[in-house]
Amino acid sequence: NAGVTQTPKFQVLKTGQSMTLQCAQDMNHEYMSWYRQDPGMGLRLIHYSVGAGITDQGEVPNGYNVSRSTTEDFPLRLLSAAPSQTSVYFCASSYRTMTGDNTEAFFGQGTRLTVV
Amino acid sequence: DQQVKQNSPSLSVQEGRISILNCDYTNSMFDYFLWYKKYPAEGPTFLISISSIKDKNEDGRFTVFLNKSAKHLSLHIVPSQPGDSAVYFCAASTGRGGKSTFGDGTTLTVKP
Repeated sequence: NAGVTQTPKFQVLKTGQSMTLQCAQDMNHEYMSWYRQDPGMGLRLIHYSVGAGITDQGEVPNGYNVSRSTTEDFPLRLLSAAPSQTSVYFCASSYRTMTGDNTEAFFGQGTRLTVV
Repeated sequence: DQQVKQNSPSLSVQEGRISILNCDYTNSMFDYFLWYKKYPAEGPTFLISISSIKDKNEDGRFTVFLNKSAKHLSLHIVPSQPGDSAVYFCAASTGRGGKSTFGDGTTLTVKP
């Protein structure tokens, strides 16, 4: 059981380039999220999804797009990379109980992105 | 305005003693609280959680206490072990979607 898999683990981009961070989970979880973590700070929510075909913005969505065409995959697209997007990106998945309660999130190992 | 705050960036404790990590929140709509542990170059891993209908949850050496009137929760680790040295994040969530708001983390160092 792989859990949450993120690729790539490391990436260096030039300002203005675009790229897609991949995230896949094999736990059949409804919910998936993307966070970024900057030095000395907690995780900040970029975008999230409550199911295939449904996405919504988080706390810091500008400069990022997402889509959720399948339950398993939740890619994050950087449209035009900027140095301010240098960060570590974490993808997470979680599920809802039969009674509708939230549960803990399972995180990928992260993608360390540097924009020069 | 930061809705989840961990006011101590770091904590150092002797092995075998108790570690107490604190977290404050401002949003009274939060109804589920979690603690995650993070080692360098890894993703956060879930440690323990508590629903707003409870005031205490225990799992082995880890206990989380919730004081809703004070909007405060704490994580107690007893006894602390060197392997507990990591960054601990407090998180809070509300409603549907599985998304959480995180504090900035507390780096715990347990000295042998």
